[in-house]
Amino acid sequence: NAGVTQTPKFRVLKTGQSMTLLCAQDMNHEYMYWYRQDPGMGLRLIHYSVGEGTTAKGEVPDGYNVSRLKKQNFLLGLESAAPSQTSVYFCASSNREYDNEQFFGPGTRLTVL
Amino acid sequence: SQQGEEDPQALSIQEGENATMNCSYKTSINNLQWYRQNSGRGLVHLILIRSNEREKHSGRLRVTLDTSKKSSSLLITASRAADTASYFCATDAKRGSTLGRLYFGRGTQLTVWP
Repeated sequence: NAGVTQTPKFRVLKTGQSMTLLCAQDMNHEYMYWYRQDPGMGLRLIHYSVGEGTTAKGEVPDGYNVSRLKKQNFLLGLESAAPSQTSVYFCASSNREYDNEQFFGPGTRLTVL
Repeated sequence: SQQGEEDPQALSIQEGENATMNCSYKTSINNLQWYRQNSGRGLVHLILIRSNEREKHSGRLRVTLDTSKKSSSLLITASRAADTASYFCATDAKRGSTLGRLYFGRGTQLTVWP
């Protein structure tokens, strides 16, 4: 049981490049989330999903897109990376029946030059 | 914003002392949760308290909730150097449009000196 995994762990992009971050969970959770964490800002929700095929915007969705084609996977896409997207990205998953306790992945450190 | 806010932002204590962190929030909640984050790692769930509970214990952790004041506190007793980490509160809001979301505060950085 791996829990929540994220790929890649580190990435450096140039401004304007695109990339996809992959999150996978093996706990059969309905809900999945993408957060970004910046110094002094805590965790900010980018997008989330309450089930396969659904997505919703969080606090800071601009510049990001997401897809949840399979229940166990939640993809975060950056179409045209900007230096302001330099951050640490965390994926999490949860189930409502367990009080929405969230399980986090190890994070992806992204630098945009 | 429904975000929880932790206080203090930073706390520095000696091993063996107790550490108390506070969290305030703005809206009605189903539950309030505390998470821990070691440097460079993902968050780990510590303890959850439901809106109809006032106090909860788990090992060296004690959480209280006062829904009338919209506040919670996390007490770590007999702190150890290994407790050094950031601690976040998160609220599970009650209203329909926000189902499935947790609202995280900015965290308290706890440093425990040997």
